[in-house]
Amino acid sequence: SQTIHQWPATLVQPVGSPLSLECTVEGTSNPNLYWYRQAAGRGLQLLFYSVGIGQISSEVPQNLSASRPQDRQFILSSKKLLLSDSGFYLCAWSVDTGRGGYTFGSGTRLTVV
Amino acid sequence: AQSVAQPEDQVNVAEGNPLTVKCTYSVSGNPYLFWYVQYPNRGLQFLLKYITGDNLVKGSYGFEAEFNKSQTSFHLKKPSALVSDSALYFCAVRESTGFQKLVFGTGTRLLVSP
Repeated sequence: SQTIHQWPATLVQPVGSPLSLECTVEGTSNPNLYWYRQAAGRGLQLLFYSVGIGQISSEVPQNLSASRPQDRQFILSSKKLLLSDSGFYLCAWSVDTGRGGYTFGSGTRLTVV
Repeated sequence: AQSVAQPEDQVNVAEGNPLTVKCTYSVSGNPYLFWYVQYPNRGLQFLLKYITGDNLVKGSYGFEAEFNKSQTSFHLKKPSALVSDSALYFCAVRESTGFQKLVFGTGTRLLVSP
């Protein structure tokens, strides 16, 4: 069966420090991968999505970047964190047809201090 | 462009009463529709989906949703609410053709009181 792993679960980082959040998917090949941010426990903001290795689409300009070095690995990064980067970050995957919707990871709570 | 609206920020119901969480959508073609639930500090969990076929879809934890094409709605329902149903609920839609990202609503917080 397919599973998605996201870590760490919580992270407290100082302003100006780098960030690396990792997401991996097991049990499927060539998934579509997504990074979302959720602020204040409400709406989801799509940050990046990827339809294949090395293919990254950015939805909003920001202080973050994403990479997909392997088929089932999706990384969210920042060189220098801002206070406004705090939030709940969610990774998700889907298959191409989209009939199954998205499967989400358990999320990372990032607090920038 | 696809869009989905959840008109209620919060829905309050008493335990044992029926609940409805509203969702309306807009797509240019046929929709795929989804409901997800999120508990505090957790990822979104899939509840149910409408792809094609029967307009009444049954999902996890006793939830169901009715697809209404004429009203472009996909309301989430449960006959008898539990306190443990208290959570944040998201409706999502995508078109059935091509690569289309899921579009999520803004979420509705369901509060079930004992």
